[in-house]
Amino acid sequence: EVQLVESGGGLVQPGGSLRVSCAASGFSFSDFWMTWVRQAPGMGLEWVANINKDGSQKNYVDSVKGRFTISRDNARKSVYLQMNSLRGEDTALYYCARWGSGWGWDFWGQGSLVTVSS
Amino acid sequence: QSALTQPRSVSGSPGQSVAISCTGSSSDVGGYDYVSWYQQPPGEGPKLVIYDVHKRPSGVPDRFSGSKSGNTASLTISGLQAEDEADYYCCSAAGDYVMVFGGGTKVTV
Repeated sequence: EVQLVESGGGLVQPGGSLRVSCAASGFSFSDFWMTWVRQAPGMGLEWVANINKDGSQKNYVDSVKGRFTISRDNARKSVYLQMNSLRGEDTALYYCARWGSGWGWDFWGQGSLVTVSS
Repeated sequence: QSALTQPRSVSGSPGQSVAISCTGSSSDVGGYDYVSWYQQPPGEGPKLVIYDVHKRPSGVPDRFSGSKSGNTASLTISGLQAEDEADYYCCSAAGDYVMVFGGGTKVTV
């Protein structure tokens, strides 16, 4: 059974840093692109970043470029999102998702809540 | 990377059909045959219901169908059921390995 379990969320002050993690199981992790998608409270989904199978290619939404870094460890079957210079507008539930064989994310985690507030 | 435009809400009675539009531009929906749709019931995570514009993942009922014409993609739910009540989001390619979501549509049965 495919499982994606996020962790590492919490309360952080504006300007601070946080790293969220996603542990994968039930599939060959190194064969799939992985993505972070976020959802602010009461709002819609927003694509944040994706990473290719070996970690050599990374893409970001404009609003997080230079502040967020996506990475992966295929040996640990995990993907990470390092978030620096956090702002109030980064407050959201951060989902980890697997990019399927077609054009779309076929499995999602339950999300990790990041709250940026003083 | 502007969000795609979806209606805020649509509603229908059990057994009826509803269609949700997703309008972008030639830089996203109109420029690629890469659209997917996600269902998000209240309090739950998203679930893929359509990929590659019109394909259904295993386990998704054939009541769900997708299409695209020009800069607009559409999701149609036929034979509406109570369990279909959820938020629905479209997503399109918007460049090389860059994607953009729609603002979401609340479907009420």
